[in-house]
Amino acid sequence: NAGVMQNPRHLVRRRGQEARLRCSPMKGHSHVYWYRQLPEEGLKFMVYLQKENIIDESGMPKERFSAEFPKEGPSILRIQQVVRGDSAAYFCASSKAGGPYYEQYFGPGTRLTVT
Amino acid sequence: RKEVEQDPGPFNVPEGATVAFNCTYSNSASQSFFWYRQDCRKEPKLLMSVYSSGNEDGRFTAQLNRASQYISLLIRDSKLSDSATYLCGIQEGSGNTGKLIFGQGTTLQVKP
Repeated sequence: NAGVMQNPRHLVRRRGQEARLRCSPMKGHSHVYWYRQLPEEGLKFMVYLQKENIIDESGMPKERFSAEFPKEGPSILRIQQVVRGDSAAYFCASSKAGGPYYEQYFGPGTRLTVT
Repeated sequence: RKEVEQDPGPFNVPEGATVAFNCTYSNSASQSFFWYRQDCRKEPKLLMSVYSSGNEDGRFTAQLNRASQYISLLIRDSKLSDSATYLCGIQEGSGNTGKLIFGQGTTLQVKP
């Protein structure tokens, strides 16, 4: 499967725990974007990364959220001390290059439920 | 005013009908435009890019109107399987990193 891969597909965390979401881009893609879709809301950009670089984190909440895309391995979105309001679907997308015009392809998402 | 706006619908149409959705954007410097389809509890799937000259793929036609700042999606001969939410995604202009700004989505229900 050469598509964008995300795991886990479903994640349940208690309030105060940490959540780690992983994303492997499509083969041949080196640019990764994270988006969040809250229930009954639209898809919102969070962060854009290349290998070992955060390019744009303008959509990331100021606290508790961080992202990385190491030289080896998948991109990780980390949420510390989760709260109920973090319950959402988190989608990763990848593109062949950065900037406008390049099409982004989405992974199946991770559905985070905070109890 | 929202950066990207769509009529949420739902649009209820019979099979075989032609239906069109619009998506307006506020930033005149926007450069790239896309339509995605999202089924319930699934990921957005890229339907088509929208070029200045328009774009057609089978029963689907996308148009860009820069003067009025909107894009449109036309679906001809609607099928039951076209039932989904259609999202427009806009990439802004200079300095942009490629992040997509999405509308709320338009829900289409095709009835037998």
